[in-house]
Amino acid sequence: ETGVTQTPRHLVMGMTNKKSLKCEQHLGHNAMYWYKQSAKKPLELMFVYSLEERVENNSVPSRFSPECPNSSHLFLHLHTLQPEDSALYLCASSQGVRWRVNPSYEQYFGPGTRLTVT
Amino acid sequence: SQKIEQNSEALNIQEGKTATLTCNYTNYSPAYLQWYRQDPGRGPVFLLLIRENEKEKRKERLKVTFDTTLKQSLFHITASQPADSATYLCAYAGNNRKLIWGLGTSLAVNP
Repeated sequence: ETGVTQTPRHLVMGMTNKKSLKCEQHLGHNAMYWYKQSAKKPLELMFVYSLEERVENNSVPSRFSPECPNSSHLFLHLHTLQPEDSALYLCASSQGVRWRVNPSYEQYFGPGTRLTVT
Repeated sequence: SQKIEQNSEALNIQEGKTATLTCNYTNYSPAYLQWYRQDPGRGPVFLLLIRENEKEKRKERLKVTFDTTLKQSLFHITASQPADSATYLCAYAGNNRKLIWGLGTSLAVNP
């Protein structure tokens, strides 16, 4: 166990559905991340939150909407997804400093949500 | 653009041998380089971080080297075991402070 949990572990949704992914970290970290991992592609950083403020948004389509209500919880709200959005969605946490993330700190990942869009 | 390359082909070795994985980076000189292990269907797990002023870092059977002249990091697993079979990812901090990830190298240790 890495101290980062994600639910659900698997999700199948139609293109017109709305669903949310949840992440919780029990490590006392103040930075949290959403990544997308697709076959034959490196990890793609989607969003970064530091002290509950979004500090990175890497040109992610608006059909993905993150929410960070506190430093322990992170959500990714999904709506009207496309089949190409099918992937493993990973949440991670690390120590961080307001307004920036310190890359000298290692990241702790959750087990991921395997998302299939039909 | 900043890029990181790892051996694209899977590495198969015999139990007890040393596995050596390569990570090459271009167009930037990172201050830090990290190595992670990922098992199928799971998230990456942090293994080691090495700084640019460190030539080598060790943790139990793991060793990482960082050669800023060659723009390369090597990751070694000594006395490898079947349980070491996994995909190993390297990542470095780019000039915008974001981690840039490699595709990973799949390692299979045969008993």
